[in-house]
Amino acid sequence: NAGVMQNPRHLVRRRGQEARLRCSPMKGHSHVYWYRQLPEEGLKFMVYLQKENIIDESGMPKERFSAEFPKEGPSILRIQQVVRGDSAAYFCASSPPSGSSYEQYFGPGTRLTVT
Amino acid sequence: SQQGEEDPQALSIQEGENATMNCSYKTSINNLQWYRQNSGRGLVHLILIRSNEREKHSGRLRVTLDTSKKSSSLLITASRAADTASYFCATVPIGSSNTGKLIFGQGTTLQVKP
Repeated sequence: NAGVMQNPRHLVRRRGQEARLRCSPMKGHSHVYWYRQLPEEGLKFMVYLQKENIIDESGMPKERFSAEFPKEGPSILRIQQVVRGDSAAYFCASSPPSGSSYEQYFGPGTRLTVT
Repeated sequence: SQQGEEDPQALSIQEGENATMNCSYKTSINNLQWYRQNSGRGLVHLILIRSNEREKHSGRLRVTLDTSKKSSSLLITASRAADTASYFCATVPIGSSNTGKLIFGQGTTLQVKP
C-alpha cells in the first residue's frame, strides 16, 4: 500500500508565477490536509478537504491560495503570484473516511523556493 | 489560536542515554500526538494519547499527559544514533475533533551522538 505521494518534491518559481502542488492520498483515504512548514518552525494547518468539499480552510491565506480535491485525481494546492514569503515546505496528510481522523499519514512534502 | 511549545528546543545526548522532551499547550484537547521528522523528510506518527489517558508506551517510547497542567512529555529510552531527528507534539483541540486538524508545536531537535 503506497503511502501519501506528493509531487513535485522540489519546486522553484520566480516571483509572480503560479505554483501547483499535488497530493495523492493513501489508497482508501478520502480526507486530505495541507500544512505549511517555514524554516526552523513547526507545521501550520492550512486546509482540510474531503472529496469535492472544502471542510475547513481556516488556515489558508485569504488571497492567492486555493485548494481542491476533485472526485478523480489528486488534491491540488495552488498558489498564484508567488512571493518570497511563500518559500516553505508544504506537507499533505491523509486519513481514512470512517472513524476518527486523528491519525494522519504524511507525505514527503514539496519544498517550494521562490526566487 | 493555540500553539504548542516544546522544550528544550535542542537536545544533544550520547547513544544509550535517555532523551526527554516536553510539550505544553493552551486549550483543552481531545488528544495529543507525537511525530518525528528526519531532516528534509515528512513526518512519521509515533504515538497518540487521548485526553483521558495519563501514560502510554510504545517500544522505547513513553508518553505522559497531564491535562491539569496542559503538558505532555516524550521519553525515548536507550537512544540510538538513528533517533536523531526533530520531534513535534501536535494536539487536536476540543471542538476540532470532527475535522481532526492538528496544531503543532515548534519542535525539539534531538541529536544522538554515537
